[in-house]
Amino acid sequence: DSGVTQTPKHLITATGQRVTLRCSPRSGDLSVYWYQQSLDQGLQFLIQYYNGEERAKGNILERFSAQQFPDLHSELNLSSLELGDSALYFCASSVAASSSYNEQFFGPGTRLTVL
Amino acid sequence: AQRVTQPEKLLSVFKGAPVELKCNYSYSGSPELFWYVQYSRQRLQLLLRHISRESIKGFTADLNKGETSFHLKKPFAQEEDSAMYYCALTNNAGNMLTFGGGTRLMVKP
Repeated sequence: DSGVTQTPKHLITATGQRVTLRCSPRSGDLSVYWYQQSLDQGLQFLIQYYNGEERAKGNILERFSAQQFPDLHSELNLSSLELGDSALYFCASSVAASSSYNEQFFGPGTRLTVL
Repeated sequence: AQRVTQPEKLLSVFKGAPVELKCNYSYSGSPELFWYVQYSRQRLQLLLRHISRESIKGFTADLNKGETSFHLKKPFAQEEDSAMYYCALTNNAGNMLTFGGGTRLMVKP
């Protein structure tokens, strides 16, 4: 599968813990985006990386951080987890950093449950 | 701030009936609008974008700047159109998508 991949599919953890979500973009894509989908907030943009550098920041909490590695995969780190962090976390990728024609391709998501 | 509103959480129609999924937006700049679709057990994927003025799977959407709307329409719904539909707006840089809450379309036989 040459599409966007995300691991793990499901993650169950306790409040106060720290987790890392991983995303591998489509082959050839340099941009990676992270989104959070929760029941009350809907689908919200968190952060974008392009070729290893942060390009845009949305509604991302200070407890959350991300990075993009030289091989272009990205990790989203969530720390001091709270019950409200339970959500579906999507990664998307695109070729360009920005463009009106910049189609974002989404991964299957990681479902995080905080107990 | 940019915002996208989809007033209907659920829209149920019969096969062959016309469909209109509503989307309203607020944005201070010149908007770039998209419709994304998520079929059951599949990934979120781009359906169409207003800048391309295209028709995909029989769906069209017209940007109405006066009414700040980008409604998605199809004259004759098919059962395979049943899915979750999201309207989205991107910022001027084209790198931050703001999504609406989504509308679940159910097409009954």
